[in-house]
Amino acid sequence: QSVLTQPPSASGTPGQRVTISCSGSSSNIGSNTVNWYQQFPGTAPKLLIYRNNQRPSGVPDRFSGSKSGTSASLAISGLQSEDEADYYCAAWDDSLNGPVFGGGTKLTVL
Amino acid sequence: QVQLQESGPGLVRPSETLSLTCTVSGGSISTYYWHWIRQPAGKGLEWIGRIYISGTTKYNPSVQSRVTMSVDTSKNQFSLKLSSATAADTAVYYCARSRGLAAAGSLDYWGPGTLVTVSP
Repeated sequence: QSVLTQPPSASGTPGQRVTISCSGSSSNIGSNTVNWYQQFPGTAPKLLIYRNNQRPSGVPDRFSGSKSGTSASLAISGLQSEDEADYYCAAWDDSLNGPVFGGGTKLTVL
Repeated sequence: QVQLQESGPGLVRPSETLSLTCTVSGGSISTYYWHWIRQPAGKGLEWIGRIYISGTTKYNPSVQSRVTMSVDTSKNQFSLKLSSATAADTAVYYCARSRGLAAAGSLDYWGPGTLVTVSP
């Protein structure tokens, strides 16, 4: 049972815009910034979005993040087949004094 | 380019201690926080704990009674020990780095991960 709640799956067709939601509580998303990670099968997660909406160098601007209250969203515009992966949200939790993660959303490009 | 690499036994017997080391190359281990995260097959990510170069640690309560982390700055390495291993500890274990805590706590570099199986 993950602390943050994500839909287990999402899908879209090439070129479409897809959003993935992430719900938390006042001790994590409500009081801290949200990060998003992208993970391909058999590989380590990669930081995709940090501090709610910042992209590390090399991440396409097709990826964007937002946060409101105790929820956050990852949006992917101009969906491409190479975006097919698992996406995890994460946020610092004040009770844990460490990061908590969502259960992950498997994105399928139809 | 900073690189992290986990190493250690891939098979641990039940009730024994799971031991892993993360070697950091391409950068100093100083001024950052170093984390261990695990992922059981087909499941999500679980933060195990973190250590700073001073040796200060913070562990997830789910494993706190069994976990010990240490750092060796001379070797640019940090380590994880998880005692009394059970099948529930079977997972891919990742080491990762953050620049700070809370808002600065994003994990910007990860090792490739190492599978540890707990089995007789």
